[in-house]
Amino acid sequence: AQTVTQSQPEMSVQEAETVTLSCTYDTSESDYYLFWYKQPPSRQMILVIRQEAYKQQNATENRFSVNFQKAAKSFSLKISDSQLGDAAMYFCATAVAGKSTFGDGTTLTVKP
Amino acid sequence: GAGVSQSPRYKVAKRGQDVALRCDPISGHVSLFWYQQALGQGPEFLTYFQNEAQLDKSGLPSDRFFAERPEGSVSTLKIQRTQQEDSAVYLCASTQALGDQETQYFGPGTRLLVL
Repeated sequence: AQTVTQSQPEMSVQEAETVTLSCTYDTSESDYYLFWYKQPPSRQMILVIRQEAYKQQNATENRFSVNFQKAAKSFSLKISDSQLGDAAMYFCATAVAGKSTFGDGTTLTVKP
Repeated sequence: GAGVSQSPRYKVAKRGQDVALRCDPISGHVSLFWYQQALGQGPEFLTYFQNEAQLDKSGLPSDRFFAERPEGSVSTLKIQRTQQEDSAVYLCASTQALGDQETQYFGPGTRLLVL
């Protein structure tokens, strides 16, 4: 079974600053994928970024990047140059054999 | 359609009633997933389909929960004899192809309140 832990229920960042959201996971599988999803208030959940566990290189998507530490089972999300539109709940997730496991989310507030 | 749609968006049921929640995935998407999201928590896996085949239903909390996707497109999640603990948002997601690497496209969810 997979578990995903997001230890920060809430985070706050000043507009244009950088923030890092933490995620740790546990799995006995060697082949899996990791995701960060964003759920804006009253809107649908969308993919932010994806990481293949077999790749050592950290994934990057514009202002979003991850720090993937496989041995430590850590998968943090860094948001650079934070914008007001980044305010949302962020979920870390693993996907193994067709089954996804999500953390309980981190609510990100962006202050103007 | 352009995205995943779910209906109804809101459902209030009296304890003991049966409910049916519908999911219309993105056209042509092979896999379809159902999740239950309690207030303040992340989505929890219920079941998933590859076309019309239900490949994993290990997350269904009891035999009161039943899901189907008879023609490999629209899916229905049915909850019989609803209980108060069934109150949650039920999310549907679909993926274009098979595989854990696939991006899941989520619907807006159905918010179920059991009184």
